[in-house]
Amino acid sequence: GQSLEQPSEVTAVEGAIVQINCTYQTSGFYGLSWYQQHDGGAPTFLSYNALDGLEETGRFSSFLSRSDSYGYLLLQELQMKDSASYFCAVRLRAGSYQLTFGKGTKLSVIP
Amino acid sequence: EAGVTQFPSHSVIEKGQTVTLRCDPISGHDNLYWYRRVMGKEIKFLLHFVKESKQDESGMPNNRFLAERTGGTYSTLKVQPAELEDSGVYFCASSQTVQEPQHFGDGTRLSIL
Repeated sequence: GQSLEQPSEVTAVEGAIVQINCTYQTSGFYGLSWYQQHDGGAPTFLSYNALDGLEETGRFSSFLSRSDSYGYLLLQELQMKDSASYFCAVRLRAGSYQLTFGKGTKLSVIP
Repeated sequence: EAGVTQFPSHSVIEKGQTVTLRCDPISGHDNLYWYRRVMGKEIKFLLHFVKESKQDESGMPNNRFLAERTGGTYSTLKVQPAELEDSGVYFCASSQTVQEPQHFGDGTRLSIL
């Protein structure tokens, strides 16, 4: 089976930096995506890593190490509106475009 | 640009009844995906359309589920007859090409009583 592990909950202070980790054990790997979901809303695409290294998009960065089957999402200068659930998702192989999701990390930003 | 639209936002039906969910993808997006999240579990893939053709339906749980995308525009997902374990949130997503990120709708929350 496919397994993506991420912490269920994380709490951080407004203005701080938080890192959400994702480790995966899958039968294949063709890229790691991150999605944000506010309560009752649509999962919103944040970033995608196909190769090792860091991708930066504004306050959000995502990192991938394929040799360690590991990635993380880094959120800087946290704002209250960043309180949401964050999901990592793996694309398993080149010919398949379905995403396999982790269970999500609920981030709470406190004043 | 309008996002992915799903209808209804909520549906409550009794076991054994039929329900049809609808998804309108972003205009011009050939790729349409259905996912669902049952309580306490992860979001799971159901199937993928390219235009009107089913590209991958490996995630469909059983033959009580029927997805269609006539004309390659909007899609419907019918559950007939509904069972208790079908309760959950059904998401639709679309992308212009398979290489681009998938954009999700708000989902349909389905409750089977």
